[in-house]
Amino acid sequence: NAGVTQTPKFRVLKTGQSMTLLCAQDMNHEYMYWYRQDPGMGLRLIHYSVGEGTTAKGEVPDGYNVSRLKKQNFLLGLESAAPSQTSVYFCASAASHTGELFFGEGSRLTVL
Amino acid sequence: SQQGEEDPQALSIQEGENATMNCSYKTSINNLQWYRQNSGRGLVHLILIRSNEREKHSGRLRVTLDTSKKSSSLLITASRAADTASYFCATDAWGNDMRFGAGTRLTVKP
Repeated sequence: NAGVTQTPKFRVLKTGQSMTLLCAQDMNHEYMYWYRQDPGMGLRLIHYSVGEGTTAKGEVPDGYNVSRLKKQNFLLGLESAAPSQTSVYFCASAASHTGELFFGEGSRLTVL
Repeated sequence: SQQGEEDPQALSIQEGENATMNCSYKTSINNLQWYRQNSGRGLVHLILIRSNEREKHSGRLRVTLDTSKKSSSLLITASRAADTASYFCATDAWGNDMRFGAGTRLTVKP
């Protein structure tokens, strides 16, 4: 099994451009999460989903949108990228909100 | 705000020594989890301890939980160079999501 797969792994954007990060999981998990990781800040939750068709805001949702049209996919969108969104983005999934999280390998985004 | 706070921020030890990392949190939890992250990689789950448990072991890992002090510790015994990584605690106190601390960066010197 692939587990959690994130695409793309690397991306460079110019300020104001838009893009979408895709997260796919093959474990039939209900819960999916998007985190960002910045140096010295640990992981901060952006948005999450408790099931197909649902989304909710996390700690730092501003500037991001998400969609969960299919159970296995969780998309993270940046409508108008800003340099402050330069970060490493991690997707994770879990069978329950108290269960083990399975992480993807990360997507490194640079906004110039 | 982040729920868990790890201490120390960085730890450097010799191979064979034990490494202890601590995590403090702010509100009631159902469980606390520890994760490991190798440089440039995703996080990997190490161990989960429930709020009604006080201690749990997994191989060379020992985790304790003190809900009265809202704190947990992760002990890695007989450390190896391959244990060099960042270690994070995570809690479910916010409901349907898991929140992480800033992590402890462990360096094990051969």
